[in-house]
Amino acid sequence: NAGVTQTPKFRVLKTGQSMTLLCAQDMNHEYMYWYRQDPGMGLRLIHYSVGEGTTAKGEVPDGYNVSRLKKQNFLLGLESAAPSQTSVYFCASSSDDWLNEQFFGPGTRLTVL
Amino acid sequence: EDQVTQSPEALRLQEGESSSLNCSYTVSGLRGLFWYRQDPGKGPEFLFTLYSAGEEKEKERLKATLTKKESFLHITAPKPEDSATYLCAVRTFSGGYNKLIFGAGTRLAVHP
Repeated sequence: NAGVTQTPKFRVLKTGQSMTLLCAQDMNHEYMYWYRQDPGMGLRLIHYSVGEGTTAKGEVPDGYNVSRLKKQNFLLGLESAAPSQTSVYFCASSSDDWLNEQFFGPGTRLTVL
Repeated sequence: EDQVTQSPEALRLQEGESSSLNCSYTVSGLRGLFWYRQDPGKGPEFLFTLYSAGEEKEKERLKATLTKKESFLHITAPKPEDSATYLCAVRTFSGGYNKLIFGAGTRLAVHP
Protein backbone atom coordinates (compact mmCIF):
# COMPACT_ATOMS: atom_id res chain seq x y z
CA ASN A 1 0.00 0.00 0.00
CA ALA A 2 1.56 3.28 -1.11
CA GLY A 3 -1.14 5.32 0.63
CA VAL A 4 -1.28 8.84 -0.79
CA THR A 5 1.34 9.87 -3.34
CA GLN A 6 1.97 13.27 -4.91
CA THR A 7 3.91 14.35 -7.98
CA PRO A 8 6.05 16.30 -8.42
CA LYS A 9 7.87 16.77 -5.10
CA PHE A 10 9.35 20.13 -6.07
CA ARG A 11 8.62 22.66 -8.79
CA VAL A 12 9.72 26.17 -9.66
CA LEU A 13 7.47 28.26 -11.91
CA LYS A 14 7.64 31.73 -13.34
CA THR A 15 4.72 34.09 -12.83
CA GLY A 16 1.99 33.34 -15.36
CA GLN A 17 3.00 29.74 -16.05
CA SER A 18 0.59 26.88 -15.50
CA MET A 19 1.02 23.47 -13.95
CA THR A 20 -0.89 20.50 -12.59
CA LEU A 21 -0.21 18.68 -9.35
CA LEU A 22 -1.22 15.03 -9.24
CA CYS A 23 -2.47 13.16 -6.19
CA ALA A 24 -3.15 9.43 -6.16
CA GLN A 25 -4.48 7.19 -3.39
CA ASP A 26 -4.78 3.40 -3.30
CA MET A 27 -7.06 3.09 -0.26
CA ASN A 28 -10.33 3.31 -2.20
CA HIS A 29 -11.25 6.48 -0.31
CA GLU A 30 -14.24 8.52 -1.41
CA TYR A 31 -13.05 11.87 -0.07
CA MET A 32 -9.99 13.73 -1.28
CA TYR A 33 -8.64 17.15 -0.36
CA TRP A 34 -6.04 19.70 -1.42
CA TYR A 35 -4.44 21.91 1.25
CA ARG A 36 -1.74 24.51 1.26
CA GLN A 37 0.64 25.07 4.16
CA ASP A 38 2.35 28.41 4.70
CA PRO A 39 4.81 29.35 7.46
CA GLY A 40 3.10 30.39 10.68
CA MET A 41 -0.32 29.34 9.43
CA GLY A 42 -2.35 26.20 9.69
CA LEU A 43 -3.16 24.02 6.73
CA ARG A 44 -5.87 25.65 4.64
CA LEU A 45 -8.30 23.76 2.43
CA ILE A 46 -8.25 24.74 -1.24
CA HIS A 47 -10.71 22.30 -2.83
CA TYR A 48 -12.13 18.94 -1.98
CA SER A 49 -14.04 16.07 -3.55
CA VAL A 50 -16.67 13.79 -2.07
CA GLY A 51 -16.45 11.23 -4.84
CA GLU A 52 -15.52 10.55 -8.45
CA GLY A 53 -16.71 13.32 -10.73
CA THR A 54 -17.39 15.79 -7.92
CA THR A 55 -15.44 18.80 -6.68
CA ALA A 56 -16.18 21.68 -4.32
CA LYS A 57 -14.51 24.84 -3.07
CA GLY A 58 -12.76 25.06 0.27
CA GLU A 59 -11.49 28.10 2.15
CA VAL A 60 -8.97 29.44 -0.38
CA PRO A 61 -10.02 28.30 -3.88
CA ASP A 62 -9.14 31.40 -5.92
CA GLY A 63 -6.49 30.79 -8.59
CA TYR A 64 -6.87 27.00 -8.47
CA ASN A 65 -8.96 24.42 -10.29
CA VAL A 66 -9.39 20.72 -9.61
CA SER A 67 -10.67 17.60 -11.30
CA ARG A 68 -11.55 14.10 -10.09
CA LEU A 69 -12.11 12.02 -13.21
CA LYS A 70 -11.08 8.79 -11.47
CA LYS A 71 -11.78 7.85 -7.87
CA GLN A 72 -8.10 7.33 -7.07
CA ASN A 73 -6.81 10.59 -8.57
CA PHE A 74 -7.30 14.23 -7.64
CA LEU A 75 -5.63 16.90 -9.76
CA LEU A 76 -4.88 20.48 -8.71
CA GLY A 77 -4.28 23.01 -11.46
CA LEU A 78 -2.77 26.47 -11.44
CA GLU A 79 -3.72 28.24 -14.67
CA SER A 80 -1.61 31.37 -14.19
CA ALA A 81 0.77 31.06 -11.26
CA ALA A 82 1.39 34.01 -8.95
CA PRO A 83 4.09 34.51 -6.27
CA SER A 84 1.33 34.34 -3.62
CA GLN A 85 0.87 30.69 -4.59
CA THR A 86 4.37 29.82 -3.37
CA SER A 87 3.62 27.21 -0.74
CA VAL A 88 3.74 23.55 0.18
CA TYR A 89 0.73 21.67 -1.16
CA PHE A 90 -0.65 18.59 0.51
CA CYS A 91 -3.19 16.15 -0.76
CA ALA A 92 -5.21 14.04 1.67
CA SER A 93 -7.87 11.38 1.51
CA SER A 94 -10.39 9.83 3.89
CA SER A 95 -13.05 7.15 3.75
CA ASP A 96 -15.64 9.64 5.00
CA ASP A 97 -15.70 13.20 6.29
CA TRP A 98 -17.36 12.42 9.57
CA LEU A 99 -15.54 9.97 11.81
CA ASN A 100 -12.33 8.99 10.13
CA GLU A 101 -8.98 10.68 9.96
CA GLN A 102 -7.43 12.08 6.82
CA PHE A 103 -4.32 10.47 5.33
CA PHE A 104 -1.83 12.92 3.87
CA GLY A 105 0.63 12.71 1.02
CA PRO A 106 4.28 13.84 1.30
CA GLY A 107 3.65 17.27 -0.19
CA THR A 108 4.76 19.33 -3.19
CA ARG A 109 6.96 22.37 -2.61
CA LEU A 110 6.08 25.01 -5.20
CA THR A 111 7.98 28.22 -5.74
CA VAL A 112 6.62 30.90 -8.06
CA LEU A 113 9.17 33.51 -9.11
CA GLU B 1 -15.19 33.05 13.63
CA ASP B 2 -13.90 29.50 14.01
CA GLN B 3 -10.34 29.51 15.27
CA VAL B 4 -7.68 27.10 16.54
CA THR B 5 -4.65 28.38 18.45
CA GLN B 6 -1.70 26.26 19.49
CA SER B 7 0.87 27.15 22.13
CA PRO B 8 3.73 27.39 22.50
CA GLU B 9 4.92 27.93 18.93
CA ALA B 10 8.15 26.11 19.74
CA LEU B 11 9.27 24.01 22.67
CA ARG B 12 12.71 22.70 23.51
CA LEU B 13 12.98 19.84 25.98
CA GLN B 14 15.73 17.73 27.37
CA GLU B 15 15.30 14.00 26.93
CA GLY B 16 13.11 12.73 29.76
CA GLU B 17 11.66 16.18 30.57
CA SER B 18 7.86 15.85 30.43
CA SER B 19 5.67 18.71 29.19
CA SER B 20 2.36 19.59 27.55
CA LEU B 21 1.28 21.23 24.31
CA ASN B 22 -1.92 23.25 24.22
CA CYS B 23 -4.62 23.58 21.57
CA SER B 24 -7.41 26.04 22.31
CA TYR B 25 -10.38 26.42 20.00
CA THR B 26 -13.47 28.49 19.39
CA VAL B 27 -15.85 26.83 16.96
CA SER B 28 -19.60 26.89 16.49
CA GLY B 29 -19.97 23.13 16.82
CA LEU B 30 -17.19 20.69 17.61
CA ARG B 31 -17.34 17.46 15.65
CA GLY B 32 -14.03 16.05 16.72
CA LEU B 33 -10.52 17.23 17.56
CA PHE B 34 -7.54 15.67 15.82
CA TRP B 35 -3.85 15.58 16.66
CA TYR B 36 -1.30 15.01 13.90
CA ARG B 37 2.47 14.72 13.91
CA GLN B 38 4.46 16.26 11.05
CA ASP B 39 8.13 15.52 10.43
CA PRO B 40 10.21 17.95 8.34
CA GLY B 41 9.53 17.57 4.63
CA LYS B 42 6.66 15.14 5.17
CA GLY B 43 2.91 15.18 5.37
CA PRO B 44 1.00 15.12 8.66
CA GLU B 45 0.53 11.72 10.27
CA PHE B 46 -2.57 10.98 12.32
CA LEU B 47 -2.19 10.46 16.08
CA PHE B 48 -5.54 10.81 17.88
CA THR B 49 -9.18 11.79 17.56
CA LEU B 50 -11.14 13.10 20.56
CA TYR B 51 -14.88 13.69 20.41
CA SER B 52 -16.15 14.79 23.80
CA ALA B 53 -14.97 16.69 26.87
CA GLY B 54 -13.27 14.39 29.35
CA GLU B 55 -12.08 11.96 26.70
CA GLU B 56 -8.46 10.80 26.79
CA LYS B 57 -6.35 8.81 24.33
CA GLU B 58 -2.84 7.41 24.78
CA LYS B 59 -0.12 6.19 22.45
CA GLU B 60 3.32 5.33 23.77
CA ARG B 61 4.65 8.52 25.43
CA LEU B 62 1.76 10.69 24.20
CA LYS B 63 -1.55 11.35 25.90
CA ALA B 64 -4.24 13.63 24.51
CA THR B 65 -7.03 15.12 26.61
CA LEU B 66 -10.03 17.26 25.72
CA THR B 67 -12.07 19.89 27.56
CA LYS B 68 -14.84 22.12 26.23
CA LYS B 69 -12.37 24.83 25.21
CA GLU B 70 -9.00 23.16 24.72
CA SER B 71 -6.99 20.02 24.26
CA PHE B 72 -3.63 19.07 25.68
CA LEU B 73 -1.02 16.76 24.27
CA HIS B 74 1.05 15.48 27.18
CA ILE B 75 4.48 14.09 26.40
CA THR B 76 5.94 11.90 29.13
CA ALA B 77 9.71 11.30 29.26
CA PRO B 78 10.23 12.37 25.64
CA LYS B 79 12.96 10.98 23.43
CA PRO B 80 14.80 12.72 20.56
CA GLU B 81 12.65 10.77 18.07
CA ASP B 82 9.59 12.63 19.40
CA SER B 83 10.98 15.81 17.81
CA ALA B 84 8.44 17.01 15.24
CA THR B 85 5.74 19.59 14.69
CA TYR B 86 2.47 18.65 16.34
CA LEU B 87 -0.69 19.88 14.66
CA CYS B 88 -4.11 20.20 16.18
CA ALA B 89 -7.23 20.34 14.00
CA VAL B 90 -10.87 20.83 14.86
CA ARG B 91 -13.70 19.49 12.75
CA THR B 92 -16.76 21.66 12.43
CA PHE B 93 -19.66 21.94 10.01
CA SER B 94 -19.52 25.18 8.08
CA GLY B 95 -20.30 26.32 4.55
CA GLY B 96 -22.14 23.11 3.78
CA TYR B 97 -19.42 20.63 4.62
CA ASN B 98 -17.45 19.11 7.48
CA LYS B 99 -14.24 21.10 7.54
CA LEU B 100 -10.98 20.70 9.44
CA ILE B 101 -9.54 23.90 10.89
CA PHE B 102 -5.85 23.49 11.64
CA GLY B 103 -3.71 25.30 14.15
CA ALA B 104 -0.27 26.55 13.12
CA GLY B 105 1.42 23.80 15.13
CA THR B 106 3.97 23.46 17.92
CA ARG B 107 7.55 22.67 16.91
CA LEU B 108 8.98 20.29 19.48
CA ALA B 109 12.72 19.65 19.78
CA VAL B 110 13.93 17.02 22.24
CA HIS B 111 17.65 17.06 22.92
CA PRO B 112 19.70 14.16 24.37
